[in-house]
Amino acid sequence: EDKVVQSPLSLVVHEGDTVTLNCSYEVTNFRSLLWYKQEKKAPTFLFMLTSSGIEKKSGRLSSILDKKELFSILNITATQTGDSAVYLCAVINNAGNMLTFGGGTRLMVKP
Amino acid sequence: DGGITQSPKYLFRKEGQNVTLSCEQNLNHDAMYWYRQDPGQGLRLIYYSQIVNDFQKGDIAEGYSVSREKKESFPLTVTSAQKNPTAFYLCASSTGKPGGYTFGSGTRLTVV
Repeated sequence: EDKVVQSPLSLVVHEGDTVTLNCSYEVTNFRSLLWYKQEKKAPTFLFMLTSSGIEKKSGRLSSILDKKELFSILNITATQTGDSAVYLCAVINNAGNMLTFGGGTRLMVKP
Repeated sequence: DGGITQSPKYLFRKEGQNVTLSCEQNLNHDAMYWYRQDPGQGLRLIYYSQIVNDFQKGDIAEGYSVSREKKESFPLTVTSAQKNPTAFYLCASSTGKPGGYTFGSGTRLTVV
């Protein structure tokens, strides 16, 4: 059974801080790892990572995958209150295209 | 615009009643999924369907049922057998490619 574990469960920071969210996984026939941001309703797609060691970047957010150690990190620099959300990590295996999600990290950014 | 529509956004039901959550997509996606999310937790897969007239159980299918009579529609019924049905339910569809998921806006079900 595929398994995804995110840490920390929750995090409170102040605006301007840098945060690192962790995602470790155990997947048979790993295909890709995805990060989502969920505010109130539907998760919104952030990154998809397939290859090890290649950083994906979008503004203040960046993510990297380590397929040898089976983890990924999501970095957010110069955090803003609008970054407050639940960040979800999910993996897909080659057997199908179902997403297996981790439990999420709830980030709160205080002014 | 293409997308997924879930209805209703909020639903209240009495304990012991069956309730059906609607999910419609006009993206021409073959695959559709139902996830459940409890407070402070990630998404858990209830049922999925990769093609019309076929569906498979996910990790937490007990107490739920689905149908897939049309490509566009994948309704979820929460039956009275589901012991703890109060949750946020998300429907998704997929192109079949890893980054090709689209999520609906969710239905928050409260059973009283």
